[in-house]
Amino acid sequence: DIQMTQSPSSLSASVGDRVTITCRASQSISLYLNWYQQRPGKSPKLLIYAASSLQRGVPSRFSGSGSGTYFTLSINSLQPEDFATYYCQQSYNTPLTFGGGTKVEI
Amino acid sequence: QVQLVQSGAEVKKTGASATVSCKASGDTFSGYYVHWVRQAPGQGLEWMGLINPSGVSTSDAQKFQGRVSMTRDTNTIYMELSDLRSDDTATYYCARGGEGYFDSWGQGTVVSVSS
Repeated sequence: DIQMTQSPSSLSASVGDRVTITCRASQSISLYLNWYQQRPGKSPKLLIYAASSLQRGVPSRFSGSGSGTYFTLSINSLQPEDFATYYCQQSYNTPLTFGGGTKVEI
Repeated sequence: QVQLVQSGAEVKKTGASATVSCKASGDTFSGYYVHWVRQAPGQGLEWMGLINPSGVSTSDAQKFQGRVSMTRDTNTIYMELSDLRSDDTATYYCARGGEGYFDSWGQGTVVSVSS
């Protein structure tokens, strides 16, 4: 199984900050990497697919980059609704696996 | 815009089975993969398996092999998890999407397992 490791596990930030979350895969997964946001008590939401493609309807302050084993999710100008937990997920092969999550707190 | 509506919460005894349903509203499952993902209380996301547009299911996550089955009819997907253990207590989500991604999610179904 491909292991996905996110860092940090949590971070504190303020409205207007730029934050970056990293995700590493235990083997190369090319661009088969997706990012999700989960607000407390809600279902996850797809933000980024194929490492850097913005899902329809997602604000442009979210961006993804990387390939192979190293990926990042960046949020420019953090908004109050962005305080949530973010997960990376590899779609290179099954079983599909997620990172452990990064909680973005105020 | 599709809405995925899942069945209600369940309370089960260890060793029993639980079945969760997922119904599409406003669109269909035709042509899409449907995945099941679970989340234990306070924990991260865990993929359980998928059912493809042809109705063939895949679950090669070792933890669930032999215990999970997925079926689909016209507009509803069912997931059955058997031989329940206490650590199967979680919120179970269905999610529609492609082979490797999930772009529409159900609201989640809480399954509680105790002896």
